[in-house]
Amino acid sequence: AQSVTQLGSHVSVSEGALVLLRCNYSSSVPPYLFWYVQYPNQGLQLLLKYTTGATLVKGINGFEAEFKKSETSFHLTKPSAHMSDAAEYFCAVSFAFSGGYNKLIFGAGTRLAVHP
Amino acid sequence: GAVVSQHPSRVICKSGTSVKIECRSLDFQATTMFWYRQFPKQSLMLMATSNEGSKATYEQGVEKDKFLINHASLTLSTLTVTSAHPEDSSFYICSAREGSQSEAFFGQGTRLTVV
Repeated sequence: AQSVTQLGSHVSVSEGALVLLRCNYSSSVPPYLFWYVQYPNQGLQLLLKYTTGATLVKGINGFEAEFKKSETSFHLTKPSAHMSDAAEYFCAVSFAFSGGYNKLIFGAGTRLAVHP
Repeated sequence: GAVVSQHPSRVICKSGTSVKIECRSLDFQATTMFWYRQFPKQSLMLMATSNEGSKATYEQGVEKDKFLINHASLTLSTLTVTSAHPEDSSFYICSAREGSQSEAFFGQGTRLTVV
């Protein structure tokens, strides 16, 4: 079975500071991993994804994440937070099967607050 | 990326009535669509998966007679909440993908309030 754990339901950083949002997964088969961002009363926007290949993945808005199989982690980082980064962030896991992408399993989410 | 449009973005309905939510893929053919429900300050819960022309596959615990899903064309899926009650009030989000190898794109969500 697959699952996703996001450590910290709320993270607060100062503008310009490093952003680190933690995600650990459990999967019995090689996972596909995703980070999504959600602004209030809106749907989800894909930030980045890991499927195969390079373990350091760069996404939109300056975010990146590194797949670490030994740690079963896929933490999201951004070197310098901006006020516009304040939102809810979801880590999700899926895996490839014979038909392609399976359904997404989401973590509980982390609300990021950015202070001036 | 591809665009998925959900309509309406907000709806208020009276208890006992039915509400239909539409999910459209604007620039691609969505062979599969997913419907999620999101409670305040919580994660997304997958309700059902629908493939064009087939019956939807519902997740455990989701009432198929209450949440009717129709995926009659490659660009449109609908979720109908039948005989809505206040506890059905929630944020409903759809996502769609083109082919099994494609990633899924999300709609902007629908805020349903049952009074």
